[in-house]
Amino acid sequence: GENVEQHPSTLSVQEGDSAVIKCTYSDSASNYFPWYKQELGKRPQLIIDIRSNVGEKKDQRIAVTLNKTAKHFSLHITETQPEDSAVYFCAAYSGSNYQLIWGAGTKLIIKP
Amino acid sequence: KAGVTQTPRYLIKTRGQQVTLSCSPISGHRSVSWYQQTPGQGLQFLFEYFSETQRNKGNFPGRFSGRQFSNSRSEMNVSTLELGDSALYLCASSLDPRNNSPLHFGNGTRLTVT
Repeated sequence: GENVEQHPSTLSVQEGDSAVIKCTYSDSASNYFPWYKQELGKRPQLIIDIRSNVGEKKDQRIAVTLNKTAKHFSLHITETQPEDSAVYFCAAYSGSNYQLIWGAGTKLIIKP
Repeated sequence: KAGVTQTPRYLIKTRGQQVTLSCSPISGHRSVSWYQQTPGQGLQFLFEYFSETQRNKGNFPGRFSGRQFSNSRSEMNVSTLELGDSALYLCASSLDPRNNSPLHFGNGTRLTVT
């Protein structure tokens, strides 16, 4: 079946440094790629998304890039802050089975 | 606009019992999806309902079922509970995921099976 691989599973960065999380998807018909952030004990919330007709999208310190040829997309967080500590999930909307396929999540730890 | 409401927040059940969880979506949202999340695990898709019809289903046994009412509220039922069913159950509402509408998650129901 369709799947999304997400790496790394845990990422520890110094406060102020950048963090990059990468996802690879298998369904070439995927056309929508959201990223969700789940803080400890809270619900997942959408932080940014990108559609297949766009290569990059930015929102303040967060950016997402998409490489359709290689079938991978990445989340970039610059100038990391303590409140960025959370689990981040990527997902790809599969046009084959009309379903969001989720990555396994990345635990981002911001060291003071 | 009120967010997605899930009830109850916490539930403790015994093996073999059954349980019903409830989800009220954001007003105007016709799609409700259910997910299971276990400690350290990702989001495991259970099923999606749209306009009272199950539109998609994940790889869970038949003990897991759901339904959606005409007001878009949804319920999830788990019968013959097993210890492994202990998890956080999240529901998410959307205008329509097939149109790339974002999911809005509730705070979840934490189910403990003893």
